[in-house]
Amino acid sequence: AQTVTQSQPEMSVQEAETVTLSCTYDTSESDYYLFWYKQPPSRQMILVIRQEAYKQQNATENRFSVNFQKAAKSFSLKISDSQLGDAAMYFCAYRIGPYNQGGKLIFGQGTELSVKP
Amino acid sequence: GAVVSQHPSRVICKSGTSVKIECRSLDFQATTMFWYRQFPKQSLMLMATSNEGSKATYEQGVEKDKFLINHASLTLSTLTVTSAHPEDSSFYICSASPPGQGSGNTIYFGEGSWLTVV
Repeated sequence: AQTVTQSQPEMSVQEAETVTLSCTYDTSESDYYLFWYKQPPSRQMILVIRQEAYKQQNATENRFSVNFQKAAKSFSLKISDSQLGDAAMYFCAYRIGPYNQGGKLIFGQGTELSVKP
Repeated sequence: GAVVSQHPSRVICKSGTSVKIECRSLDFQATTMFWYRQFPKQSLMLMATSNEGSKATYEQGVEKDKFLINHASLTLSTLTVTSAHPEDSSFYICSASPPGQGSGNTIYFGEGSWLTVV
């Protein structure tokens, strides 16, 4: 069975600085999708970034980028130029198949990110 | 705007009663929807897969007689918490993906529903 592990329950970053959130996973599949979601106090799940395992290039979305290490089964999220609005709970997630039946996700434990002004 | 909508966003019910939460896909038809539960300061735990026109598939440890899931149409799945108890108080959230190739890449979440059982 697939598992997702986030070993940092809390992280803190100074505004405008860079922070990296860690995520490791375990799977026997060769092709899969990984996601980072942001959950602010409103509890709305907001997609931050998505990585397809067959793509070697790391995904990037503006200030957000990932370091995807497939062999090590690691999927860390880097937030550059941190802003106060980045403060939230961040979840790493693994999508399990079959792919023609929607997106079922397994989530990590979450990392609470605080941004200091 | 939201493409997956949940209702109600907050509900309070008395212990022993049942409460229904709706999850609607607004812009697409979804043969499959997913229900998650989230306790305070914890992660989302998958409860079940809602399948249009057939029985839901429950994750291990989830009581199917307590958490009734009905997916009667391609745009609506409902979660009914039966004989609710205070320990059922939680945040419930659904998700769905548009059909088609690569649909599993695009996952939309509802706004979530807070259930408080008193």
